[in-house]
Amino acid sequence: GQQVMQIPQYQHVQEGEDFTTYCNSSTTLSNIQWYKQRPGGHPVFLIQLVKSGEVKKQKRLTFQFGEAKKNSSLHITATQTTDVGTYFCAGWAGGYQKVTFGTGTKLQVIP
Amino acid sequence: DGGITQSPKYLFRKEGQNVTLSCEQNLNHDAMYWYRQDPGQGLRLIYYSQIVNDFQKGDIAEGYSVSREKKESFPLTVTSAQKNPTAFYLCASRMTGGSGYTFGSGTRLTVV
Repeated sequence: GQQVMQIPQYQHVQEGEDFTTYCNSSTTLSNIQWYKQRPGGHPVFLIQLVKSGEVKKQKRLTFQFGEAKKNSSLHITATQTTDVGTYFCAGWAGGYQKVTFGTGTKLQVIP
Repeated sequence: DGGITQSPKYLFRKEGQNVTLSCEQNLNHDAMYWYRQDPGQGLRLIYYSQIVNDFQKGDIAEGYSVSREKKESFPLTVTSAQKNPTAFYLCASRMTGGSGYTFGSGTRLTVV
């Protein structure tokens, strides 16, 4: 079945440093979504990418969908303590396939 | 405000007892989902429903049951057959053909 892996599993950064998490799917995706889960909270939808090579920005967050639509990345510029949490990608292969969530990257920001 | 309500937030049960987790949404979303999250883990799909009176097993359906008698409600029963039921349970909904999932705030179930 479809597998979605994320790396790294954990990342500690100094406040102000950049952060990137990578998502890799075993199959070609129709779209990919990104979520943020704060400690003790629930996942919150951030964005959806659909097109090959698509790049979208939300303030300090940059999301990219690979040309082959099998990988994606989330980059945070100049991290802040409010960025702390676990970031999940979720890929959909299309048709009757289910959405598969990645394993998540837990970000810790050191003030 | 529209959203998904999960109750209770914390639930304690004795081993061998069935327990039902509530999930209600007023977003008029067609599809509803139940996920399980274990500490430091991702989300694993238990059951999902695309329309009323219809639902499908997810990746880890054994030991769980659901019903979808109303569009707004999708309760999950954790039965005594579930070998390791202690976990964080998340309900989500989504409009068919829409974008991302909307999640509830979750129920932390502890079985002792």
